[in-house]
Amino acid sequence: EPEVTQTPSHQVTQMGQEVILRCVPISNHLYFYWYRQILGQKVEFLVSFYNNEISEKSEIFDDQFSVERPDGSNFTLKIRSTKLEDSAMYFCASSAPGPATGELFFGEGSRLTVL
Amino acid sequence: GQNIDQPTEMTATEGAIVQINCTYQTSGFNGLFWYQQHAGEAPTFLSYNVLDGLEEKGRFSSFLSRSKGYSYLLLKELQMKDSASYLCAVRDLMNRDDKIIFGKGTRLHILP
Repeated sequence: EPEVTQTPSHQVTQMGQEVILRCVPISNHLYFYWYRQILGQKVEFLVSFYNNEISEKSEIFDDQFSVERPDGSNFTLKIRSTKLEDSAMYFCASSAPGPATGELFFGEGSRLTVL
Repeated sequence: GQNIDQPTEMTATEGAIVQINCTYQTSGFNGLFWYQQHAGEAPTFLSYNVLDGLEEKGRFSSFLSRSKGYSYLLLKELQMKDSASYLCAVRDLMNRDDKIIFGKGTRLHILP
């Protein structure tokens, strides 16, 4: 069964460092998303991406964050100058277009710990 | 903006039935999802409702009333493995694109 894959599964970084989280969405999906979940809290929408551009972003997704689809398979989230409060699980998701439910298929997540 | 409310925690007994409610307010409603999330894992899809009524899928059913901004997830014949958080999520169509916003989740504890 096709799945969304994310790397790394866990990253520890120092405050102020840059982090890149990588995702490989399901191959025939066209919509891509990043969500984050701070420990014990809800899943929060960060950004959606379609047709090689951001389609929606939340107030969380400020200039510290950027997304890119550098090739036909990868979808990356870059966090510049990480802060302690960026520590969270970051989930990538993808969905298919068309009359389907638009169900989000989530990756297993990348746990980011900022020290 | 969007607002999604669901109970924080619920407890039920193995073999019983439990109903998890969700109310929502959104400007451009375009469907409601229920996801299951075990601790430390990714959310997994359970159900989708876009029209009023009940959708049944095995032991799980989901109901939607758009006029009331209300949905529930019904779990029957509860099993210990059903202990998890259940996330209500709403697709909000804004401008030309939509996004799926999650509620805080209901943590369900199953007792033997």
